[in-house]
Amino acid sequence: NAGVTQTPKFQVLKTGQSMTLQCAQDMNHNSMYWYRQDPGMGLRLIYYSASEGTTDKGEVPNGYNVSRLNKREFSLRLESAAPSQTSVYFCASSQQGQSWITFGSGTRLTVV
Amino acid sequence: QQPVQSPQAVILREGEDAVINCSSSKALYSVHWYRQKHGEAPVFLMILLKGGEQKGHEKISASFNEKKQQSSLYLTASQLSYSGTYFCGTERTYNQGGKLIFGQGTELSVKP
Repeated sequence: NAGVTQTPKFQVLKTGQSMTLQCAQDMNHNSMYWYRQDPGMGLRLIYYSASEGTTDKGEVPNGYNVSRLNKREFSLRLESAAPSQTSVYFCASSQQGQSWITFGSGTRLTVV
Repeated sequence: QQPVQSPQAVILREGEDAVINCSSSKALYSVHWYRQKHGEAPVFLMILLKGGEQKGHEKISASFNEKKQQSSLYLTASQLSYSGTYFCGTERTYNQGGKLIFGQGTELSVKP
């Protein structure tokens, strides 16, 4: 009964380093999302995947890439981390035909 | 195009009522409400659809005024457990899945 699982929970990177945030859901949802949350900005959509094999850009995609590995897993990659990417990242999923989303517990990323 | 929430923060005593507003300059299909407790993931509360009725969840209810493109979240007889940050998320068209545009959040603190 895990829902949406994200790893790691915390990460500190140096500017220019790369890393991949992992996300997996066990609810058999078709759609998956990556949001970032910054103080005073709410949640902003980075990328989403409507179904396995498809991905598309959200509001703030620059500096990120994603992979929908299979129906369960959706990863977010930072190729060259920048301080502006310091944020809390949430993975989320939803069932086809339903627009409300279930969030993971988040990854707090700091880029120094 | 981010919806605007008001107020930004509110402090209540247990048992008091509060209203949180979410306004958009664009026509909306639906408005979602989520609550996020400190350090946790946002949790879905309810969805208001265009043409739909007011919805309720225990002592928390919401309405959607299509003419004003505004949704209001009503918290009555507040409890300590209501503390957290409330976000509205908006869809402009049908079947956008979880591709929501979120407001900046309203921080609600309920004191004993």
